[in-house]
Amino acid sequence: ETGVTQTPRHLVMGMTNKKSLKCEQHLGHNAMYWYKQSAKKPLELMFVYSLEERVENNSVPSRFSPECPNSSHLFLHLHTLQPEDSALYLCASSQGRTSVNEQFFGPGTRLTVL
Amino acid sequence: KNQVEQSPQSLIILEGKNCTLQCNYTVSPFSNLRWYKQDTGRGPVSLTIMTFSENTKSNGRYTATLDADTKQSSLHITASQLSDSASYICVVSGTSYDKVIFGPGTSLSVIP
Repeated sequence: ETGVTQTPRHLVMGMTNKKSLKCEQHLGHNAMYWYKQSAKKPLELMFVYSLEERVENNSVPSRFSPECPNSSHLFLHLHTLQPEDSALYLCASSQGRTSVNEQFFGPGTRLTVL
Repeated sequence: KNQVEQSPQSLIILEGKNCTLQCNYTVSPFSNLRWYKQDTGRGPVSLTIMTFSENTKSNGRYTATLDADTKQSSLHITASQLSDSASYICVVSGTSYDKVIFGPGTSLSVIP
């Protein structure tokens, strides 16, 4: 295990539902990330939090709403999603945000939007 | 444009055989290059990291090479095992904190 946990591991939701993904890191890191991984495509960075402050938002639609209540927890709130949002959502953490710091990934949440 | 390309897209090899995966990048200025292994249903796990001055790095049966002049890297897997079946992702970082570019990955299947 990498020290980063995600729940739920699998989620099926309709387009009108509201759900949340949860990530928790036990590594004492101060930066956390949300990524989207679609089939046959590179990981896409969605959000970055450093010291609980959002420092990056890569033009992600507003139907995705992140929340970072403290340095160990990260949420991704979902509402009125589209079928094309179906993907593996990965959370990661690192100590510091420089490019040399290794990111440790959670196992991901497999999301299916019907 | 900063890009990372990997080849082949997928690969099937017999258990016990060796294989080499390729990564080409255009990220500049360059800071470091990592190879990650991602098992099915799991998150990526770092295998190796190399900076500009390093041209080879080993981790057990995995050996990564880097040619910063030609902007190419390879990951060589020796005496493959069934557990090596996974996606291998090349990640190149620029000197700016926000320049972390992921490749599309190579899907490796090791069969008995």
